[in-house]
Amino acid sequence: QKEVEQDPGPLSVPEGAIVSLNCTYSNSAFQYFMWYRQYSRKGPELLMYTYSSGNKEDGRFTAQVDKSSKYISLFIRDSQPSDSATYLCAMSPLSGYKYIFGTGTRLKVLA
Amino acid sequence: DAGVIQSPRHEVTEMGQEVTLRCKPISGHDYLFWYRQTMMRGLELLIYFNNNVPIDDSGMPEDRFSAKMPNASFSTLKIQPSEPRDSAVYFCASSLSGVEGNEKLFFGSGTQLSVL
Repeated sequence: QKEVEQDPGPLSVPEGAIVSLNCTYSNSAFQYFMWYRQYSRKGPELLMYTYSSGNKEDGRFTAQVDKSSKYISLFIRDSQPSDSATYLCAMSPLSGYKYIFGTGTRLKVLA
Repeated sequence: DAGVIQSPRHEVTEMGQEVTLRCKPISGHDYLFWYRQTMMRGLELLIYFNNNVPIDDSGMPEDRFSAKMPNASFSTLKIQPSEPRDSAVYFCASSLSGVEGNEKLFFGSGTQLSVL
């Protein structure tokens, strides 16, 4: 079993829809949780960062962490065609330590 | 800041040849990571350095892979000899420790390696 599991998709939604992306993990030591967006032929770029449990909001993006269920989510409101990309979750037990990535979920937002 | 700079962007080589990938991290960052990305396995951590010292190389697949960081502004990943199964996108990333909210990896644009 992988330490981090993520549905590869693809996930296709109409413009304006609310998107929910999820990851599950097995290592209870993970404390730092991140979401990265990767456009085709580009490196991943950090979208959201959360320490421990709780919610964090940034514009149209909300990240949620449920450590009791070992489950994290990224919500995208009012999705746009420019949001079409692969979304990777990443997590780490310690600051500056080795980050473990999910395999990514491909998202397509249709105009 | 120019961000993390990787070279070359694309590398096509023949099986058995030596391949060297290069990375310049963001100035002032003290952690440097090398990742490999494939469709099947996603992003895999190969090795990471802290203050130019290798901390964990458990992800390096075989002795054919080696990485060095001779100074704070330069790192190389070498594959010798290369094999077709090494074909992937190789990413370098850097981060800064010791600052709240610093647990952010900044990635380069990657090197697309094709071994024929």
